[in-house]
Amino acid sequence: DTGVSQDPRHKITKRGQNVTFRCDPISEHNRLYWYRQTLGQGPEFLTYFQNEAQLEKSRLLSDRFSAERPKGSFSTLEIQRTEQGDSAMYLCASSLVSGGRDTQYFGPGTRLTVL
Amino acid sequence: AQKVTQAQTEISVVEKEDVTLDCVYETRDTTYYLFWYKQPPSGELVFLIRRNSFDEQNEISGRYSWNFQKSTSSFNFTITASQVVDSAVYFCALSEAGQGAQKLVFGQGTRLTINP
Repeated sequence: DTGVSQDPRHKITKRGQNVTFRCDPISEHNRLYWYRQTLGQGPEFLTYFQNEAQLEKSRLLSDRFSAERPKGSFSTLEIQRTEQGDSAMYLCASSLVSGGRDTQYFGPGTRLTVL
Repeated sequence: AQKVTQAQTEISVVEKEDVTLDCVYETRDTTYYLFWYKQPPSGELVFLIRRNSFDEQNEISGRYSWNFQKSTSSFNFTITASQVVDSAVYFCALSEAGQGAQKLVFGQGTRLTINP
């Protein structure tokens, strides 16, 4: 099994630019999660998909953030008009719910630096 | 609200020493899950263990062991005979049970350094 992959691994952008990250989950995993991790902190939940439906969003996800998972496969996370406070590691995780169990496997993350 | 506290920010030990990472959690749910993840310098979170709230049996996997005590809301992690490759940031996490999103609530992590 290939694991969760994320692209790009690093992104440097200027304030005000738009950026898009991609996550490819483990094949056949029906759930996909996005988290954000700032320096020295644990990851914080942003949003989650069950197949192609986005079912929950955190208050952390402002209007400048949008996520999609077309066809229930890969997912994209777009940040519009980036701000310096958006600098963080963006982590994607996928899981296959079985018997109520949901163990999330994480990708390597995309590190975003906003100048 | 759910909360996970890892009071130890950094731990440094010499190789072959045993080390215990503490995790205390808060939740109003009667059924929940507890996790430990390892984050090496590469950044990827590596799943180590999942524990259900109704199963208080301790678990051992090689040099790793976990002590779950519901009475004190703790889920501690012990590495026996530590090795340099164990150096990483370790996160304890909590999620609610149920059919909805089982989003993880993480602690702040403990940075473990194993010195040769």
